[in-house]
Amino acid sequence: DTAVSQTPKYLVTQMGNDKSIKCEQNLGHDTMYWYKQDSKKFLKIMFSYNNKELIINETVPNRFSPKSPDKAHLNLHINSLELGDSAVYFCASSQMHGHNEKLFFGSGTQLSVL
Amino acid sequence: GQQVMQIPQYQHVQEGEDFTTYCNSSTTLSNIQWYKQRPGGHPVFLIQLVKSGEVKKQKRLTFQFGEAKKNSSLHITATQTTDVGTYFCASSNDYKLSFGAGTTVTVRA
Repeated sequence: DTAVSQTPKYLVTQMGNDKSIKCEQNLGHDTMYWYKQDSKKFLKIMFSYNNKELIINETVPNRFSPKSPDKAHLNLHINSLELGDSAVYFCASSQMHGHNEKLFFGSGTQLSVL
Repeated sequence: GQQVMQIPQYQHVQEGEDFTTYCNSSTTLSNIQWYKQRPGGHPVFLIQLVKSGEVKKQKRLTFQFGEAKKNSSLHITATQTTDVGTYFCASSNDYKLSFGAGTTVTVRA
């Protein structure tokens, strides 16, 4: 049973297209995140939701729009894809929104924009 | 957010040898977490340190939190091929977990 699952695993698309990545967690956690990992493996937080409410929005372009229909799901929609959006996007969850929470990561979505 | 710097960026280790990777900050950290990401995989939580001077061990891995809570280290003894991957330290500030750049470890058999 996968705790944090995200789809698709690979996404290859043309510049200018719109795409979505879906994430689901079955851990009963309250908080979910999107992280972006670039080609140098640097992990940067993008968004955080706690019980469907946006908590963190880290100066991400407006082309990125997260949506949390319920606390078990956090999807990421990207409009007008650009070359620089190519990266691995990780969904993660934690039990609650706090300082000492450990994160459980999904297996990642490798996005390639051509 | 808080900045944590990791050194070295790359560590090439002979199988059976020991090595240490370091995580440093210019400010006092509330906590330190360590994650391991295998090649092609996702980050997996290893441990969290909260107290000044704290030391925790997991088999061949020893984690330390500095007395001033500004640095941390991960020491691996008798390196094995299964230790290959990137080790990240991370610290939270304003409820945001910020990651260091990672130390990528390769092992020569």
